[in-house]
Amino acid sequence: GAGVSQTPSNKVTEKGKYVELRCDPISGHTALYWYRQSLGQGPEFLIYFQGTGAADDSGLPNDRFFAVRPEGSVSTLKIQRTERGDSAVYLCASSPGVGDGYTFGSGTRLTVV
Amino acid sequence: QKEVEQDPGPLSVPEGAIVSLNCTYSNSAFQYFMWYRQYSRKGPELLMYTYSSGNKEDGRFTAQVDKSSKYISLFIRDSQPSDSATYLCAAFSGSARQLTFGSGTQLTVLP
Repeated sequence: GAGVSQTPSNKVTEKGKYVELRCDPISGHTALYWYRQSLGQGPEFLIYFQGTGAADDSGLPNDRFFAVRPEGSVSTLKIQRTERGDSAVYLCASSPGVGDGYTFGSGTRLTVV
Repeated sequence: QKEVEQDPGPLSVPEGAIVSLNCTYSNSAFQYFMWYRQYSRKGPELLMYTYSSGNKEDGRFTAQVDKSSKYISLFIRDSQPSDSATYLCAAFSGSARQLTFGSGTQLTVLP
């Protein structure tokens, strides 16, 4: 596609539930990133994929968070046992390669009630 | 202390004004510097991308990096109401792949 697509755009879930957030990067972009943005803050790094493998997952806050990119294109961020503190906008970005400028999607706004 | 510090504003200017947005950083390993613009309920959009120190100009936008003082600036000339958005500075090193962002400055250009 022309840009990075993220679905759903909004997700409301109950505390303790499991959620999946999807990212469809720009075709041909090998690098894919997940960031989390809280209100009034800049995006914070979660995880980075180069191809199918997670090259750096040091930003994942705890083991309730997990992400996959099985075929090197679409990625899914998975959050287990959601907590109210997980409420934020989850942003996905892709780039042609490392060191290139990112293109961000519009994000998924997650609200845990 | 955050690795990239940015004055959150908000900043309000009249149309046509010159806007100066600034960030400081503490990590000497940062070599690549970016400015993103973010409209409400949208993802950040890359405006400027610079490597190391120096100036880069693109239309009404000029990005400056001073590595000696660890200072990053974005200047907007002839500001327009459509420039009203949150501006985020970001940096990364060659070895670490992730961007480190400032907290963003909210800019309003009044018609």
